[in-house]
Amino acid sequence: DVKVTQSSRYLVKRTGEKVFLECVQDMDHENMFWYRQDPGLGLRLIYFSYDVKMKEKGDIPEGYSVSREKKERFSLILESASTNQTSMYLCASSWAGYLTDTQYFGPGTRLTVL
Amino acid sequence: GQQLNQSPQSMFIQEGEDVSMNCTSSSIFNTWLWYKQDPGEGPVLLIALYKAGELTSNGRLTAQFGITRKDSFLNISASIPSDVGIYFCAGGYTGTASKLTFGTGTRLQVTL
Repeated sequence: DVKVTQSSRYLVKRTGEKVFLECVQDMDHENMFWYRQDPGLGLRLIYFSYDVKMKEKGDIPEGYSVSREKKERFSLILESASTNQTSMYLCASSWAGYLTDTQYFGPGTRLTVL
Repeated sequence: GQQLNQSPQSMFIQEGEDVSMNCTSSSIFNTWLWYKQDPGEGPVLLIALYKAGELTSNGRLTAQFGITRKDSFLNISASIPSDVGIYFCAGGYTGTASKLTFGTGTRLQVTL
């Protein structure tokens, strides 16, 4: 079975703090994604990566950065957390090549910024 | 970004009833996926469809890839309380470089 894990299920941070969210997948997937999910807005893509050290902006990259130093690990960084970044953050991964579109999700991190 | 039109938005049904939901798009896809999300959890893949007209089952769940490639359908037969959750459709197209477009979700509630 594909397994995507996220470092924390729940996180509480203060405004201005630097926040790291980590995601690890064990299926040797090339592609990895970070989404945020908010009521009424659905899933919105923040950043994605096709390969180690490669990254592409999604639909809402402002206020976020990412890092992919190893194939299995994709980190989302909030340089200076703000209250409007309170949300559910979901990581996903998929194969490159055939069946590229089938993404597998982690359990999510619910981040609260006070 | 674009979101797919998913209906109904919510359903309140009795245990044992069959459920149908659908997802429509203004553009074509070559992959349709159906996910279920429990409260506080990440979406779990239920069914993946890769060919127009394809009909695929997973236990009590059956999904179809519409012939026009612009829609997909999910049916749940004989619903049970653990079917409660939010069901999302997602469409993928090779030209979008592995990115998915998600539906707005159908919230399913099942009563005994």
